[in-house]
Amino acid sequence: DAGVTQSPTHLIKTRGQHVTLRCSPISGHKSVSWYQQVLGQGPQFIFQYYEKEERGRGNFPDRFSARQFPNYSSELNVNALLLGDSALYLCASRSGTVSSNTGELFFGEGSRLTVL
Amino acid sequence: AQSVTQLDSQVPVFEEAPVELRCNYSSSVSVYLFWYVQYPNQGLQLLLKYLSGSTLVKGINGFEAEFNKSQTSFHLRKPSVHISDTAEYFCAVSPRGSSNTGKLIFGQGTTLQVKP
Repeated sequence: DAGVTQSPTHLIKTRGQHVTLRCSPISGHKSVSWYQQVLGQGPQFIFQYYEKEERGRGNFPDRFSARQFPNYSSELNVNALLLGDSALYLCASRSGTVSSNTGELFFGEGSRLTVL
Repeated sequence: AQSVTQLDSQVPVFEEAPVELRCNYSSSVSVYLFWYVQYPNQGLQLLLKYLSGSTLVKGINGFEAEFNKSQTSFHLRKPSVHISDTAEYFCAVSPRGSSNTGKLIFGQGTTLQVKP
């Protein structure tokens, strides 16, 4: 079975541009979360989506948005890119209900964004 | 709110030696506890988790961790490390209760460097 897949794997943007990152969860997983991992730090929670609705949001500005599609895949959008947005963006999926936090989070390999 | 502190940013150790990676957390509510591993250029993989019951939990690849409620710690141990254990290790917590969003709060990470 395929794991969590993310695209693109690497991308370079300039300040002020917009970026869209994509994620396909493990088949059967309805919950998708996004995390930002800046070099040398642990992942920071950005969003959780479950059944196409936002169920949680971390401390990120409104430039960050996301959505989940009927097939449970997800997009993360970042507008007006700043140098500080350079990071590895990780998508994770989980089985179970929206508030289920005992199950394992399965992570993709991430999309590495460089903002110049 | 919750926070996680990993007390060592880097831990160098020789092959076949024992290792302990330290993790302390702070939370006003009860939490679930996790250790994840990140190999170079890969996503995160769950090593083990503590939900309830026995405070000593065993995970994959010979790792184990002990939950100490009084010291709010969840240290990771392995009796004999291999070169292949070289990676970044993250401790994480997730609050119990129905109001949580299922997000994980990660520590800063500990780089385990196994030398031959």
